[in-house]
Amino acid sequence: QPVLTQSSSASASLGSSVKLTCTLSSGHSRYIIAWHQQQPGKAPRFLMNLEGGGSYSKGSGVPDRFSGSSSGADRSLTISNLQFEDEADYYCETWDINTQVFGGGTKLTVL
Amino acid sequence: EVQLLESGGGLVQPGGSLRLSCAASGFTFSSYAMSWLRQAPGKGLEWVSTISGSGDNTFFADSVKGRFTISRDNSKNTLYLQMSSLRAEDTAVYYCAKNQVNIWGSPHDYWGQGTLVTVSS
Repeated sequence: QPVLTQSSSASASLGSSVKLTCTLSSGHSRYIIAWHQQQPGKAPRFLMNLEGGGSYSKGSGVPDRFSGSSSGADRSLTISNLQFEDEADYYCETWDINTQVFGGGTKLTVL
Repeated sequence: EVQLLESGGGLVQPGGSLRLSCAASGFTFSSYAMSWLRQAPGKGLEWVSTISGSGDNTFFADSVKGRFTISRDNSKNTLYLQMSSLRAEDTAVYYCAKNQVNIWGSPHDYWGQGTLVTVSS
């Protein structure tokens, strides 16, 4: 089954951009993933589906500041013009036969 | 607007049972697979179980296989999770989530607010 690897933490300044990356394990580099945001004390929120070719489709109401890109086994989420409300945990998700898999999550701090 | 509202969480002793419910609205419930996921205190997200739109196909994480049962009532737009032989490590916030397809093979695009299950004596 696929394994998703994420950095445990990231930080960036208010108004800047940040790129969070989720890396698929060997043999799974073509898998589609999803990105979810979880603000402190809240339920997760779906942000987007992201394909291996870099195409992405965002969920309802997700701001234009959020975009996706892919390179090989890496699936990245870029947040532009960072806002304090973007401070959250970000999880990637994928699936295989009979299992759904999540990355360990990246805690984003907005400075 | 899609809404998912979980209920049924609470404190239960090890070895006990609990049934969670998730009331869905804002979409054609029977057309989509539905899942339960959980998050232990201070930890990441973990998939628990998925059921197809018709209810004919079910899938479980190894950690709950044989102890948990997933079901749905499409006439009531409601998803259920029957949990038995509960262990301390089942303590978590349990989320109901909508899949993007009918049977299997997609991420989740809507999440409920969660219900806390605590397994402790």
